[in-house]
Amino acid sequence: SYVLTQPPSVSVAPGQTARITCGGNNIGSKSVHWYQQKPGQAPVLVVYDDSDRPSGIPERFSGSNSGNTATLTISRVEAGDEADYYCQVWDSSSDRGVFGGGTKLTVL
Amino acid sequence: EVQLVESGGGLVQPGGSLRLSCAASGFTVSSNYMSWVRQAPGKGLEWVSVIYSGGSTYYADSVKGRFTISRHNSKNTLYLQMNSLRAEDTAVYYCARDIVSRELHYFDYWGQGTLVTVSS
Repeated sequence: SYVLTQPPSVSVAPGQTARITCGGNNIGSKSVHWYQQKPGQAPVLVVYDDSDRPSGIPERFSGSNSGNTATLTISRVEAGDEADYYCQVWDSSSDRGVFGGGTKLTVL
Repeated sequence: EVQLVESGGGLVQPGGSLRLSCAASGFTVSSNYMSWVRQAPGKGLEWVSVIYSGGSTYYADSVKGRFTISRHNSKNTLYLQMNSLRAEDTAVYYCARDIVSRELHYFDYWGQGTLVTVSS
């Protein structure tokens, strides 16, 4: 089965740029999606299809995907961005969803 | 406005059964792909099951043969029948609407979740 690997934690100071990676075998050939989850809340889609943003998501959230790594980039980080972030792909060979283990973003 | 509201969670003994419901509004369940995703306490997200608009169903290996996803078209509701429950099934269960297009497949709306606790 397909495996996605994320760092457990990323820390960044307010106003700086946070980069959260998602590793997978030839992940660049797949569409990657990112979710933000704050404590006690349901996940919220923040980036889909590698780099597109749903309506209502700030332009500070962006994504890229190439080779074996996809990256969620959050520019000008704010305290309200502190949350867990999950990457996700669909394994079309088995018709199953796959999530990364999640990354806790801490705003210092 | 799209809304998903789960219900049916609770405390159940190991080996027991539970049926979760997900009432949808603002769109038609039967015209969309719908998934269940769960999250064990303090852990990450785990995809559980999907039902396609055509009726095909797929499951994670961890629940295959024990869980059944279904829908009731006139009630616009998604279900997850969970049998032979184990302690490791303890989690918050979310229903989600899938967006699917060619190689794209992601979840654009999520319910608030319902907690299932499997314990004696």
